[in-house]
Amino acid sequence: DIQMTQSPSTLSASVGDRVTITCRASQSISSWLAWYQQKPGKAPKLLIYRASSLESGVPSRFSGSGSGTEFTLTISSLQPDDFATYYCQKYDTYSKTFGQGTKVEIK
Amino acid sequence: DVQLVESGGGLVKPGGSLRLSCTVSGFIFSDYTMNWVRQAPGKGLEWVASISSRSNYIYYEDSLKGRFTVSRDNAKHSLFLQMNSLKAEDTAVYYCARERDTTLVIYNALDIWGQGTMVTVSS
Repeated sequence: DIQMTQSPSTLSASVGDRVTITCRASQSISSWLAWYQQKPGKAPKLLIYRASSLESGVPSRFSGSGSGTEFTLTISSLQPDDFATYYCQKYDTYSKTFGQGTKVEIK
Repeated sequence: DVQLVESGGGLVKPGGSLRLSCTVSGFIFSDYTMNWVRQAPGKGLEWVASISSRSNYIYYEDSLKGRFTVSRDNAKHSLFLQMNSLKAEDTAVYYCARERDTTLVIYNALDIWGQGTMVTVSS
């Protein structure tokens, strides 16, 4: 089974900071990767699909890159609404494994 | 508005069974692959199962095969998850989620999620 590993697990940042989260797959998944944002008590929200495609309605400060085994989610200028937990997910096969999550906290 | 509403969660004893439902509105349910995802308290997301639009492709997370069964009724715009032989580690919020358009690709990201239903397995 392909494992998905995110880093860091927790990230402390300030409003206006550029933030980067990394997701690594244990084997190549081409570009079949999504990123989600989840706030406490809420359902996850799709941000990015196919590694770099921005979901409709998602602010352009969010961007995704990478292919194969290494991927990044970048928030170009962190906003108050962005403090949340972020998950990557692979979907190259029927098994849609998630990363363990990265919590973005206020510094 | 596109909406997914889960129901059927609750408290069940170890070894018991529970059937979750997800009722959909605002889109053509029969066109989409649907998924179940769960989240244990304070933990990350775990994919549970998926079912294609016509129920001809059904997949489960390996460790859940044999205990969980996913099904759907396109006429009633509903998705189901039958959970048997429940264990304490099945305690979680269970979300139903729509898979993005799979017309050109076999698998896709999950673009619409319900609010979740809590399942607690405890004696």
